[in-house]
Amino acid sequence: NAGVTQTPKFQVLKTGQSMTLQCAQDMNHEYMSWYRQDPGMGLRLIHYSVGAGITDQGEVPNGYNVSRSTTEDFPLRLLSAAPSQTSVYFCASSYVTSGTGELFFGEGSRLTVL
Amino acid sequence: GENVEQHPSTLSVQEGDSAVIKCTYSDSASNYFPWYKQELGKGPQLIIDIRSNVGEKKDQRIAVTLNKTAKHFSLHITETQPEDSAVYFCARGGGNKLTFGTGTQLKVEL
Repeated sequence: NAGVTQTPKFQVLKTGQSMTLQCAQDMNHEYMSWYRQDPGMGLRLIHYSVGAGITDQGEVPNGYNVSRSTTEDFPLRLLSAAPSQTSVYFCASSYVTSGTGELFFGEGSRLTVL
Repeated sequence: GENVEQHPSTLSVQEGDSAVIKCTYSDSASNYFPWYKQELGKGPQLIIDIRSNVGEKKDQRIAVTLNKTAKHFSLHITETQPEDSAVYFCARGGGNKLTFGTGTQLKVEL
């Protein structure tokens, strides 16, 4: 099992550009989520999904879109990148959908917006 | 709300000493309290967790205590070793979400 796979690992964007961070898991987990990690602010939840076709907003959803067409994939889209979106992004999945089970994290995607 | 406060933000201990990290939460609906360890360049990994119907849980050198009345929980690491150096995050779970604290950089010095 590969676990949670994120691509790309590094990306540099210009302000206003759009891009998609990919996330795939091979553990048949229903629950998937995206966090951003910034110095001194911990991990903040952007969006999450409790199953295919179902998504919901987390703590910091503005500027990001998600969709969940399959159990395996949960891409995160930046519609018009801003310097404030410079961060490390983590995708995570869990076999528990209530937020009360172990989260398995990917290795992260480091995004810089110039 | 669902915020979690974590202290201290940095902690230095001598090898062999104990380390304690504390977190407080405000949401009474929280019923799951995990701790994650993040090594440099990696994603966080679960090291121990506790549920609201339990007051203490231990796994070798690490233990977690929960005081539900006071709404705080703590991570205890005994006999620290250099490989314990990392960033540690507490979190609270419930309502389909896991909310994290701001992290503690633990440094174990030889």
